[in-house]
Amino acid sequence: QVQLQESGPGLVKPSETLSLTCTVSGDSISRDSWSWIRQPPGKGLEWIGYISISGSTDYSPSLRSRVTISVDTSENQFSLKVTSVTAADTAVYYCARQSRSFYYDTSGYSGYFYYMDVWGKGTTVLVSS
Amino acid sequence: DIQMTQSPSSLSASVGDRVTVTCRASQSISSSLNWYQQKPGKAPDLLIYAASSLQSGVPSRFSGSGSGTDFTLTISSLQPEDFATYYCQQSHTTPYTFGRGTKLEIK
Repeated sequence: QVQLQESGPGLVKPSETLSLTCTVSGDSISRDSWSWIRQPPGKGLEWIGYISISGSTDYSPSLRSRVTISVDTSENQFSLKVTSVTAADTAVYYCARQSRSFYYDTSGYSGYFYYMDVWGKGTTVLVSS
Repeated sequence: DIQMTQSPSSLSASVGDRVTVTCRASQSISSSLNWYQQKPGKAPDLLIYAASSLQSGVPSRFSGSGSGTDFTLTISSLQPEDFATYYCQQSHTTPYTFGRGTKLEIK
């Protein structure tokens, strides 16, 4: 059974860097793509970005200048860094596995559907001095 | 960015009711639409992927339909454990975007 567990400081000061790690068990981190999502208090879900099997990354444009996602295959972990945080970065942060399903339709098109099928329990990060 | 509009934002229903939640994309996303259920204080759970494929372990009372820009999530007979918030999410184009959620409450 695949499990993900987020870890990191629960309190970060404004202007500093938020650093979180997601430890993966029951799956090899080299076999899938991995995402970060956050949820501000009382609000909806916001996709932050992902790192693919090949190591390429893609980030939300609203966070791209401040976000880095990386993988440590030796520890079977992936990480999130957000620089220059403000109160607006206060949220529950989730890591998730991004899986894919191949399709081939009658028009001859093929590709993948992507979805986040395994989630960590989430970790709360408060940005405050 | 592709905008996802969910309706209604909240819904009151009774156990045994049939419930439908809709999600509209601001442009065509083919069938790249996922549905998640989130209970208070918990992480979201995947219910439906690729618009209509039921995730393993999810009860068959949940179903999804649609393609292009209009999608629906249907719960055929509400159970007590189904009262939660439901989110749609498009995975056609990054940044992947979520709807604002539909909170399903007990009538």
